[in-house]
Amino acid sequence: GEDVEQSLFLSVREGDSSVINCTYTDSSSTYLYWYKQEPGAGLQLLTYIFSNMDMKQDQRLTVLLNKKDKHLSLRIADTQTGDSAIYFCAEEGSYIPTFGRGTSLIVHP
Amino acid sequence: NAGVMQNPRHLVRRRGQEARLRCSPMKGHSHVYWYRQLPEEGLKFMVYLQKENIIDESGMPKERFSAEFPKEGPSILRIQQVVRGDSAAYFCASSPGQPTTEAFFGQGTRLTVV
Repeated sequence: GEDVEQSLFLSVREGDSSVINCTYTDSSSTYLYWYKQEPGAGLQLLTYIFSNMDMKQDQRLTVLLNKKDKHLSLRIADTQTGDSAIYFCAEEGSYIPTFGRGTSLIVHP
Repeated sequence: NAGVMQNPRHLVRRRGQEARLRCSPMKGHSHVYWYRQLPEEGLKFMVYLQKENIIDESGMPKERFSAEFPKEGPSILRIQQVVRGDSAAYFCASSPGQPTTEAFFGQGTRLTVV
């Protein structure tokens, strides 16, 4: 079955890089997503990567995909306090994204 | 172009009452997805609808829950005879089609059953 796993918490110092990791099980995943959820808000799509790509960069965000190991990561450069949120990894193999439980990123000064 | 609109934002119901959650997709979007987020858990898929059709309801509890997306008007998620375990945030997302790379989420409805 489909399963997406993430660590629950990550704490970083302001200005450092954050790396949030995710593993998934569905080898037929065609798209993999990173969403951000701020307190009391809905989910905001940050970025996505197509399964035939290894890397995608968008300003401070870098997504790395290791399809062989079914491992996805999101790197946030120069992390700011405004980046504090829950980050969800999701994979889409059929047509419905399956989400992980989310990683709470805490940025402290 | 307004985003995905969900209402109400907060809903309090007593056990045994009915809860009706509404989702108006973005203009031009004909695909709607409902997810439930229980406290301290991720999002769990509930149902996927297109206009007037339920495409996949594999995540819906077998009893008390139903969803519709009529030709006109918002998508409705209906929970009958609510119980405390139904307390959660319910999110709706819409997209113009497949895949969901252009899916946008609403801000959610937070249901509290007392």
